[in-house]
Amino acid sequence: DIVMTQSPDSLAVSLGERATINCKSSQSVLYSSNNKNYFGWYQQKPGQPPKLLINWASTRESGVPDRFSGSGSGTDFTLTISSLQAEDVAVYYCHQYYSTPHSFGQGTKVEIK
Amino acid sequence: EVQLVESGGGLVQPGGSLRLSCAASGFTFSSYWMHWVRQAPGKGLVWVSHISSDGSTTTYADSVKGRFTISRDNPKDTLYLQMNSLRAEDTAVYYCARDGGGYNHWGQGILVTVSS
Repeated sequence: DIVMTQSPDSLAVSLGERATINCKSSQSVLYSSNNKNYFGWYQQKPGQPPKLLINWASTRESGVPDRFSGSGSGTDFTLTISSLQAEDVAVYYCHQYYSTPHSFGQGTKVEIK
Repeated sequence: EVQLVESGGGLVQPGGSLRLSCAASGFTFSSYWMHWVRQAPGKGLVWVSHISSDGSTTTYADSVKGRFTISRDNPKDTLYLQMNSLRAEDTAVYYCARDGGGYNHWGQGILVTVSS
């Protein structure tokens, strides 16, 4: 089974500043035949379902603000919020869908400093 | 607009059963793999099960294997999760989600509480 480990568990960032969340998978989620990373990032606000922000490691979903970006390949990935807004306060999860059981990171709570 | 609406949750005693439903609309349900994901109170997301678009392939997390059964009725645009031999640790909000690589559409979730 692939284990997803996020860091940090929480972070506090000032409005307008950059927030960076890392995720490491216990094995590669890069599928060599199509060169795609089977990896995504989700945002979850209290009382709401998760929302897919980034698919295939770096493809922003429709409607997601461009301050959100995803990078990385293989086993190491990063979600960057370039200029934190008040509405970005949430828990963020990484996710691999390369192999079953699909697995999520433990979550990173982002707050305003 | 894509919509996924779960139903069938509630309070059940340990050892009991429940069947969750997820009614889909706004897309061609029969073209998509579907998933169940759960979230215990205050905890993270845990994948439970998935089913292929035609229902021929199903996979389960080890924690529910042999107790839960995923199925679908494509003409009715509905996904199901039959949960038997429920345990206290199955207490969670259960979400159905549509596969799009990642899970690009989620229901609002339904709470299942296993308690005596």
